[in-house]
Amino acid sequence: DQQVKQNSPSLSVQEGRISILNCDYTNSMFDYFLWYKKYPAEGPTFLISISSIKDKNEDGRFTVFLNKSAKHLSLHIVPSQPGDSAVYFCAVSSGNTGKLIFGQGTTLQVKP
Amino acid sequence: GAVVSQHPSRVICKSGTSVKIECRSLDFQATTMFWYRQFPKQSLMLMATSNEGSKATYEQGVEKDKFLINHASLTLSTLTVTSAHPEDSSFYICSARRDSRWETQYFGPGTRLLVL
Repeated sequence: DQQVKQNSPSLSVQEGRISILNCDYTNSMFDYFLWYKKYPAEGPTFLISISSIKDKNEDGRFTVFLNKSAKHLSLHIVPSQPGDSAVYFCAVSSGNTGKLIFGQGTTLQVKP
Repeated sequence: GAVVSQHPSRVICKSGTSVKIECRSLDFQATTMFWYRQFPKQSLMLMATSNEGSKATYEQGVEKDKFLINHASLTLSTLTVTSAHPEDSSFYICSARRDSRWETQYFGPGTRLLVL
């Protein structure tokens, strides 16, 4: 049973517009939520994280929103750039153990 | 920045043979490393936590006798797939933690294993 779900396998956005990637989780015990970006033939790279005590965290063009009651998090990228084209994984953890549960990933394509 | 490397990047082996994959933290010491596997179009699944100087901790459903993990030094963890079978074909990725911050957990580039 998937504990972390990214229901959109792919997303296409025009350059300069907002990209919104979504992620749902099942267990309310998760207390750390992260987004990773992955290019082909490379490992995931950390983008941004949020702990369960917050509902928003912003870092430059990237903002993560957490809705604990809905068990939902989202990543907003604005403005989107062609270099943002990659696979985005959300991941969750229970406690700061380093152990992560990943979603299936969403392939983002930003068109020039 | 910190880098985690994996070797080999790609390996093809015959069914029944064993394959060793190395994960190295190049510019920091990592007491804890993690091994994941990823099937096509699927998420990364945590296999085990590799602890320097002690036994690895395996996730439920992962056969410890099949996937041998050795974390002999603070910069090297190895995953050995023993008696490999075609169903073991997958993408194996390791990660290493520099410290307790999430942004300092770095992933290797992965190893593509194909078992014929």
